[in-house]
Amino acid sequence: GQNIDQPTEMTATEGAIVQINCTYQTSGFNGLFWYQQHAGEAPTFLSYNVLDGLEEKGRFSSFLSRSKGYSYLLLKELQMKDSASYLCAVIDSNYQLIWGAGTKLIIKP
Amino acid sequence: ETGVTQTPRHLVMGMTNKKSLKCEQHLGHNAMYWYKQSAKKPLELMFVYSLEERVENNSVPSRFSPECPNSSHLFLHLHTLQPEDSALYLCASSQDSGSVTGELFFGEGSRLTVL
Repeated sequence: GQNIDQPTEMTATEGAIVQINCTYQTSGFNGLFWYQQHAGEAPTFLSYNVLDGLEEKGRFSSFLSRSKGYSYLLLKELQMKDSASYLCAVIDSNYQLIWGAGTKLIIKP
Repeated sequence: ETGVTQTPRHLVMGMTNKKSLKCEQHLGHNAMYWYKQSAKKPLELMFVYSLEERVENNSVPSRFSPECPNSSHLFLHLHTLQPEDSALYLCASSQDSGSVTGELFFGEGSRLTVL
């Protein structure tokens, strides 16, 4: 079966750095998304990786290793507004999206 | 005006009621999706419409009935639901035609409670 694993919950301190990991076992790979979802709001697109390496976008970076079936989302200079759930999703060989259960990130002052 | 709009935002219904969820996208996209989101579970794809034709139905019970009258509107008709159907129902759209190659744009969801 296809599976995506990410931690259920993480806690970090305002101003710090946090890394949210995502490992996947899917039938093929055609890209990986990270989405952010604040409580009661729509998931919103953060990043897309299809090639190995690090993609940086402001305070957020996303890394991909296809050989290891692994990605992480790195959040720097954490702000209280970064408290949200972070969803990892992989496009499989049939161009269908496989979703992880999400990581709830709690930021403390 | 947001890209994907869902109504109602909250819905409480009894098991014998009939209600509908509505989704509208203002992005000119070709594909629309219904997802079910339950706490601590991955998003569950329910239905996909591409250019107004249903392209996927992931073994969803018949008490959920989708309707796509045009490329901008999507409905989910609900009938004789069960308490375990209580969840957040998310609508999404994408430029693709059913096969995901790019970003999905989500609505804020309809929080459904079945009593």
